[in-house]
Amino acid sequence: KQEVTQIPAALSVPEGENLVLNCSFTDSAIYNLQWFRQDPGKGLTSLLLIQSSQREQTSGRLNASLDKSSGRSTLYIAASQPGDSATYLCAVRNSGNTPLVFGKGTRLSVIA
Amino acid sequence: ETGVTQSPTHLIKTRGQQVTLRCSSQSGHNTVSWYQQALGQGPQFIFQYYREEENGRGNFPPRFSGLQFPNYSSELNVNALELDDSALYLCASSSPGGLSSYEQYFGPGTRLTVT
Repeated sequence: KQEVTQIPAALSVPEGENLVLNCSFTDSAIYNLQWFRQDPGKGLTSLLLIQSSQREQTSGRLNASLDKSSGRSTLYIAASQPGDSATYLCAVRNSGNTPLVFGKGTRLSVIA
Repeated sequence: ETGVTQSPTHLIKTRGQQVTLRCSSQSGHNTVSWYQQALGQGPQFIFQYYREEENGRGNFPPRFSGLQFPNYSSELNVNALELDDSALYLCASSSPGGLSSYEQYFGPGTRLTVT
């Protein structure tokens, strides 16, 4: 059974810092991995999708990497801003049209 | 392109009642998935519909049921509500094919409170 773990559970950083959020999964035979952002009480916004054949994806100040063999992904946020404050969720899909398995998220606070 | 929409936004029900939540999938998407997110937790998969057929179900009791319509919109029905059903219910749509194959797009959610 696939399990996803995110460390740390919460993180507080000053504005301008570069930071890394970690995600690990127990079954390395994944189809793809998605990173999401969730603002309090709101739905999920997809940030990056990495297919199993890819090593990384970039969007603006965000960079996500994938190491399937070790069951790990990282989300790198450059030059953090107060507007980046949210919960970041990692989710993996084991195959084709199967559901996402989520971690519990990392709650990020960027202090101005 | 129209995104995923859900209704209602908030809902308060009494234990034992029944509730129906609605979701309109993103244009061109034929798969709808429903998730339950308790406070402080990651979303948990309830079930998924593909072309009006349920094709996957998580560890939820039969009182959680659903439908998908020909236009790919969907409903989640919960009977005999329990206090633990209080959560944010998320709907996501996706479609196979291409580099974004099966990338899921989520709606804003419905906050259900059971008292």
